Amino acid sequence: EVQLVESGGGLVQPGGSLRLSCTASGFTFSDHYMDWVRQAPGKGLEWVGRTRDKGNSYTTEYAASVKGRFTISRDDSKNSMYLQMNSLKTEDTAVYYCVRVSKSYNLDCWGQGTLVTVSS
Amino acid sequence: DIQLTQSPSFLSASVGDRVTITCRASQGISSYLDWHQQRPGKAPKLLIYAASTLQSGVPSRFSGSGSGTEFTLTISSLQPEDFATYYCQQHKSYPLTFGQGTRLEIK
Repeated sequence: EVQLVESGGGLVQPGGSLRLSCTASGFTFSDHYMDWVRQAPGKGLEWVGRTRDKGNSYTTEYAASVKGRFTISRDDSKNSMYLQMNSLKTEDTAVYYCVRVSKSYNLDCWGQGTLVTVSS
Repeated sequence: DIQLTQSPSFLSASVGDRVTITCRASQGISSYLDWHQQRPGKAPKLLIYAASTLQSGVPSRFSGSGSGTEFTLTISSLQPEDFATYYCQQHKSYPLTFGQGTRLEIK
């Protein structure tokens, strides 16, 4: 069974940093691009960014709203992806989902999410 | 960025009804359009990809159609578990974008 488990969420002050983790199981993690998608309380879905696979040099893409503040990385030996979030703003408050990208570039498997609250 | 506009944003319907949700793209995206379902308090789930292909395990009462700039999601006979929020999403170009969502509620 494919599973994605996020961790690392919590309460952080504006301007602070937080690192989220996503641990995968049930599939060959290294074969897949992986995404982060977030959802502010009561709002819709917002794509955050992507890490490609080793064959594509682990290159990344980001939404404009987080570029320069957030960094996505992965460790295929640990079946894990990370989201380093710096210079956090109140508007970054959201549930952050780890999402597997299929070979056809669909977001085909979602984790349960982890809540990040940015507040003083 | 490619904007996706769903209509309606809110839909009230009864069990057994046939409902259709529309998603319009601000520019042509061929068939790079997927639909996700999100039940209250749960993570989203991929329902349909490439505009019209059902994800494995999704009931056949769901169907999708369209290409270019206009797409539809149809549920042929609503079941209680279908009351949820539905999002369209494009992956033609970065940044990936979602529609604002259509909340489907029981009448």
